[in-house]
Formats: sequence, C-alpha cells, structure tokens
Amino acid sequence: AQSVTQPDIHITVSEGASLELRCNYSYGATPYLFWYVQSPGQGLQLLLKYFSGDTLVQGIKGFEAEFKRSQSSFNLRKPSVHWSDAAEYFCAVIMTTDSWGKLQFGAGTQVVVTP
Amino acid sequence: DVKVTQSSRYLVKRTGEKVFLECVQDMDHENMFWYRQDPGLGLRLIYFSYDVKMKEKGDIPEGYSVSREKKERFSLILESASTNQTSMYLCANRNNYGYTFGSGTRLTVV
Repeated sequence: AQSVTQPDIHITVSEGASLELRCNYSYGATPYLFWYVQSPGQGLQLLLKYFSGDTLVQGIKGFEAEFKRSQSSFNLRKPSVHWSDAAEYFCAVIMTTDSWGKLQFGAGTQVVVTP
Repeated sequence: DVKVTQSSRYLVKRTGEKVFLECVQDMDHENMFWYRQDPGLGLRLIYFSYDVKMKEKGDIPEGYSVSREKKERFSLILESASTNQTSMYLCANRNNYGYTFGSGTRLTVV
C-alpha cells in the first residue's frame, strides 16, 4: 500500500540545537513532496515543497529539506531551533499519477523545544 | 492570498444529531477537500469535490456526506453524529499557490 511514514511521533530538542525530522514514502514513482507545520491552535502552513530539480530545498523560517531518491526520503532540517518552532510537523505527498492532486499526510511529529 | 474560512472554531453536538460543517473559499477554485485530524493519525481525507455538485470519496467517507451547491462553499455533513467522530476537521482548497487550509473546526460529540 502507498504510504507516508514519519517514524518519530515526538521529538524534544534544546533551543539552539539542530533539528531533523524524518519522512519516508512508499510509491512506485517519486511523488510531489511537502512539509507543513501546525502551531498550537493554528491551521497548517506550508514550509517547503519539492517537485523536481535540485534535491535540497529551502523553505520558510530557516527550514530546508533534502530529497533522496535512493532512500525514498524527504527529511526536514533546521540548523538552530528557536522556541517558536515548537509545533507539529507533517510530511505530505501528492502522487504524480493522481489527477485530483490529493494530499496524503504522514502521522505527524510533535516537536517540543526546551530552554 | 487565497482564504479558506470555516465558520465554527468549536462545536459540541449530541449523539445522533445531524451536523453541518461549513467551509467557504474566497476565490473561484474548483478543488476543495475535507480532512479530519486525529493524534497519531495525521490528516485523513474524507471527501473532496472538483466542481459544483461533483464529489468523490476520500479514504474515510463512512458516516459522512458532502454538499457543494455553489463553487465557493463546501459543506461536510455528519448524518447522525457519533462519539467516534469527535475530531478536528480541516477544509482546504487547491489553487495556483498549492493548498490553502482553513483554521479547523474542533467537533466534540457527546
């Protein structure tokens, strides 16, 4: 079955430390790839997306993600975390064969930032 | 910027009630979606619509229906609410900039 996996349900990181969130997908072809963030009480905000081309993608708020075809992964990184980065992060995909362009989400990773 | 508005932020309904969740977009986009969000499960697609009066089932349509009488409005209907439908519901549309999500409606069924 096609799926999006975020292996880490919960991550705690110190302010100023680096952060990496993992995302793996299982599809026959490379899908379109997205990372969203949801701060407490807020809607979903797009951090970055990958369709094709350069495999290192820069996003908003200092985030970047790297697509690795060989590992079917699209991991999100930030070099130095701020307290405001505490939120839930979702990896999502759109299958390139899906004419409706439906977004399919992983289960999410909750990030807690400690002082 | 595209705006997607969900009319209610919080709702409390009784078991067996018919519940309407409303979503309005401020542009003329065809594709609209309803997701429910549950801890540990992420967002799961309930229904989507690609035009007025057109709808398609998503991954978890059981217990839900939808209505799209006008392009800007997409309603999610719980025909007979049950406690296992207590959840956060998110509406979205797909547009030239990607997806735009509403702020969500947190529904509690008691």
